[in-house]
Amino acid sequence: GAGVSQSPSNKVTEKGKDVELRCDPISGHTALYWYRQSLGQGLEFLIYFQGNSAPDKSGLPSDRFSAERTGGSVSTLTIQRTQQEDSAVYLCASSLSSVSSTYFGPGTRLTVT
Amino acid sequence: QKEVEQNSGPLSVPEGAIASLNCTYSDRGSQSFFWYRQYSGKSPELIMFIYSNGDKEDGRFTAQLNKASQYVSLLIRDSQPSDSATYLCAVTRNSGNTPLVFGKGTRLSVIA
Repeated sequence: GAGVSQSPSNKVTEKGKDVELRCDPISGHTALYWYRQSLGQGLEFLIYFQGNSAPDKSGLPSDRFSAERTGGSVSTLTIQRTQQEDSAVYLCASSLSSVSSTYFGPGTRLTVT
Repeated sequence: QKEVEQNSGPLSVPEGAIASLNCTYSDRGSQSFFWYRQYSGKSPELIMFIYSNGDKEDGRFTAQLNKASQYVSLLIRDSQPSDSATYLCAVTRNSGNTPLVFGKGTRLSVIA
């Protein structure tokens, strides 16, 4: 595709439910990143994929958060037993070979009620 | 703990003036520095990156880096109302594929 796409664009869920967020990176981009942005906050790094492996998952806030990437392309971020503090915009980004070529998707706004 | 600090603003400048945005970072091993612009409700977009000490100019934008002082800045000349956005500073230790450490951003308002 022309850019990074994410789905859904908005998700409202009840506390305790599981959610899955999807990211389609730019075709051919080997690196994929998940960040989240809470209201009035900067971007918080969650996890980084190079191909299908995750050399850096240091930003995942708890074991309720997990992510996978298949075929070196699509990635899914799963949040189990959602909490209100999980409410944020989850941003996916991809890059080819240099961090200066990192492009962000439009984000998924998650609201936990 | 790697930290990137920015004044949250808002920074208000009149149209046509120079806007100066500042950022400090704690990790002395940082080698690559980025400025992203984020309009309200939109995702960040890269506007400048700089790797070496000194100035780097691109159109109305100039990035300035001082590694000794752990300081990076962004100057916007001839500011326009369309420049009104949040500007995010980000740093990393290398230039390959690597996660970025972001500041919380400075909100810029250009007054017509």
